[in-house]
Amino acid sequence: GNSVTQMEGPVTLSEEAFLTINCTYTATGYPSLFWYVQYPGEGLQLLLKATKADDKGSNKGFEATYRKETTSFHLEKGSVQVSDSAVYFCALSDQGEDDKVIFGPGTSLSVIP
Amino acid sequence: DAGVIQSPRHEVTEMGQEVTLRCKPISGHNSLFWYRQTMMRGLELLIYFNNNVPIDDSGMPEDRFSAKMPNASFSTLKIQPSEPRDSAVYFCASSRTGSEAFFGQGTRLTVV
Repeated sequence: GNSVTQMEGPVTLSEEAFLTINCTYTATGYPSLFWYVQYPGEGLQLLLKATKADDKGSNKGFEATYRKETTSFHLEKGSVQVSDSAVYFCALSDQGEDDKVIFGPGTSLSVIP
Repeated sequence: DAGVIQSPRHEVTEMGQEVTLRCKPISGHNSLFWYRQTMMRGLELLIYFNNNVPIDDSGMPEDRFSAKMPNASFSTLKIQPSEPRDSAVYFCASSRTGSEAFFGQGTRLTVV
């Protein structure tokens, strides 16, 4: 079946540092890929998405590129802020698997001033 | 659209009581998901509906948990009887086929 793997957290960075959170997936079909963010005390929000190979999703300075050859969708940001402290979830949706949205375990990010 | 609406936002109940969580998905979405989130286990998919039909309930922890979707605009998750280990944040999410899921604000359940 389909699955999503993320790098283990928690991740702690200083403000303005470069961020990478790795995500790889396994899918039987041709999935759409997503990054969600969950701020403390809130629900999950869609951060960015990509629907086909080599697509780059971007939002709020975050970027991720759909790499079919490496089955990856790594999240990056060039300069993190304290307000980026949150839990980040990689996810996929594959129409070949009953349209179920599958989430990775989440990676907690703390940005310190 | 107001987004996915869950109620109540907070629920505190005594062990053994019945708890019902409610969800109104986004209009036009044909998939609905119930998730449970805890510090220990992270985000767990409990059950997934497509066009009001339960497709995958393998994540439902045990018979004490049940979920229904009587129509396209409403779903419930019921726990009977509740236990302290059911304490968690329960999220409802909805989506269109093959697209991203939109989450509600969650219901924080505390069973004492």
